[in-house]
Amino acid sequence: RKEVEQDPGPFNVPEGATVAFNCTYSNSASQSFFWYRQDCRKEPKLLMSVYSSGNEDGRFTAQLNRASQYISLLIRDSKLSDSATYLCVTQGRGTSYGKLTFGQGTILTVHP
Amino acid sequence: SQTIHQWPATLVQPVGSPLSLECTVEGTSNPNLYWYRQAAGRGLQLLFYSVGIGQISSEVPQNLSASRPQDRQFILSSKKLLLSDSGFYLCAKKDYEQYFGPGTRLTVT
Repeated sequence: RKEVEQDPGPFNVPEGATVAFNCTYSNSASQSFFWYRQDCRKEPKLLMSVYSSGNEDGRFTAQLNRASQYISLLIRDSKLSDSATYLCVTQGRGTSYGKLTFGQGTILTVHP
Repeated sequence: SQTIHQWPATLVQPVGSPLSLECTVEGTSNPNLYWYRQAAGRGLQLLFYSVGIGQISSEVPQNLSASRPQDRQFILSSKKLLLSDSGFYLCAKKDYEQYFGPGTRLTVT
């Protein structure tokens, strides 16, 4: 079983749509959580950290459910520029060196 | 990625040839540095990390090695490349969160 599992998609949505991605993780000792986005043939870029109380950054909302070991990302009012692969990422407790564990990614395509 | 530099951007090497990829970072001193690899159609895999000069830890056994000769320099090497070494190599730096350099796309032929 993979440590971080995501639905690979692809998700194809029209501009303006709301889309949600889910992610589950198996390591209950995971301490920190992130969403990264990766454009084709580019490096991953941090989209947002995910906090226990949930957090929002503009059109993006992230939620964490520690009991269910589940993370979500909601994108509202999708833009063409949101087309990318979204990576769910965890970091374990006690890993002071900061090891990140990545999901395989969910592909999003926003069309006109 | 503007504070993390990697070169070369792309590289095509024959099987059995040596490899040297370089990463340099700007910003705070003594950063934690990382090498990741992303093989085609697969997720990112941590290869090495370093918490200081000369301190290297390996996450997976392989024919690659890493070195950190200076505080802000991290090098990935191989004496003899394998076909399976092809992939997208990313250097990362950790402040509170991790940030990635632009990557080196390596094709072993």
